[in-house]
Amino acid sequence: DTAVSQTPKYLVTQMGNDKSIKCEQNLGHDTMYWYKQDSKKFLKIMFSYNNKELIINETVPNRFSPKSPDKAHLNLHINSLELGDSAVYFCASSQLDGYGYTFGSGTRLTVV
Amino acid sequence: TQLLEQSPQFLSIQEGENLTVYCNSSSVFSSLQWYRQEPGEGPVLLVTVVTGGEVKKLKRLTFQFGDARKDSSLHITAAQPGDTGLYLCAGAQGGSNYKLTFGKGTLLTVNP
Repeated sequence: DTAVSQTPKYLVTQMGNDKSIKCEQNLGHDTMYWYKQDSKKFLKIMFSYNNKELIINETVPNRFSPKSPDKAHLNLHINSLELGDSAVYFCASSQLDGYGYTFGSGTRLTVV
Repeated sequence: TQLLEQSPQFLSIQEGENLTVYCNSSSVFSSLQWYRQEPGEGPVLLVTVVTGGEVKKLKRLTFQFGDARKDSSLHITAAQPGDTGLYLCAGAQGGSNYKLTFGKGTLLTVNP
């Protein structure tokens, strides 16, 4: 199936731990993104990569580090997790000149 | 700064009724997109509008982009329980699709 797939779907971890979320798209899109959705459902961009190159970093704490090994993958590593990091994290992709994003189904991160 | 204001925030109606959701901004957008998000899933693109005054129809859904490209509306005719979900508008600025700014969403519930 063509899609944006992210793993894991759920992640429960203790404060101070380090965790990673993986994302892969097989749509052939040039650009990939990480968005954070808070408890009020507000979606805010975190990072954007175009052909493995970081093009947007929206004042995200440097505990968050994205990595794009190739244009089909964009992973998110989070160090020293804090309670406030609890949210749903969405990966998405789009064509450079496209008009719509394809989102993954999200990773619900709960920090306890 | 919230660039896109959506209204209403919550809407609960009976099956068969019509409704309109609004997305307003003081900023000009090169394109505006509408998404629907269901619980536990990522947003799914419904439509993209790019031309001021443009109207697009998708079965019972009608989307309009304002003449000045600052606002948009989504009208649903004869709503059905399957229309229930969070409706999000998102605007792209500067001709780049790298960064979409999302509104806070309208949570629609259609009761049978």
